[in-house]
Amino acid sequence: RKEVEQDPGPFNVPEGATVAFNCTYSNSASQSFFWYRQDCRKEPKLLMSVYSSGNEDGRFTAQLNRASQYISLLIRDSKLSDSATYLCVFSNDYKLSFGAGTTVTVRA
Amino acid sequence: GAVVSQHPSWVICKSGTSVKIECRSLDFQATTMFWYRQFPKQSLMLMATSNEGSKATYEQGVEKDKFLINHASLTLSTLTVTSAHPEDSSFYICSALGRGVTDTQYFGPGTRLTVL
Repeated sequence: RKEVEQDPGPFNVPEGATVAFNCTYSNSASQSFFWYRQDCRKEPKLLMSVYSSGNEDGRFTAQLNRASQYISLLIRDSKLSDSATYLCVFSNDYKLSFGAGTTVTVRA
Repeated sequence: GAVVSQHPSWVICKSGTSVKIECRSLDFQATTMFWYRQFPKQSLMLMATSNEGSKATYEQGVEKDKFLINHASLTLSTLTVTSAHPEDSSFYICSALGRGVTDTQYFGPGTRLTVL
């Protein structure tokens, strides 16, 4: 079983739509959780950390379910600029494990 | 936020040559830097962890004699791909972890290596 598994998508959604996707992890010792965004041929950029209680950052909501070992990301009111690949990332003692990414394409 | 640079941003070389990639933390001191590799449509894979003043720790399956890492100062780590071959063509990304900060890593812009 892969350490981190994501639905690769792509999720093609119209502007203004809501899109959500999950990511599962196998290492129960994972300590910290993040969503990163990666644009084509660029480095990943931190979108948000994910906390046990769930957290929001503007149109983005992240949830963590430790019992089922997954995190989720929900994007409300999608913008064209949200088109990217979203990477779920887990860390254990500063070592990061990356998912292969979920591609989201927002169309006008 | 913290800035990490990489040089060169892209490189094309012939098979058998060695390529050096630099990773610099521009506005903070990085005790630890990480080197990743990403093949198309795949996840970033950690290659090695580089600590200033000590030998790098390589992940399983990464040849330390092929991928030489030097972290001689708190702001610079280098990765040398020795005797590069076409299968080494990839996107190489470094990240830096500063002193006293959380476990957020700051990524460099990456180096795209193409070996002919």
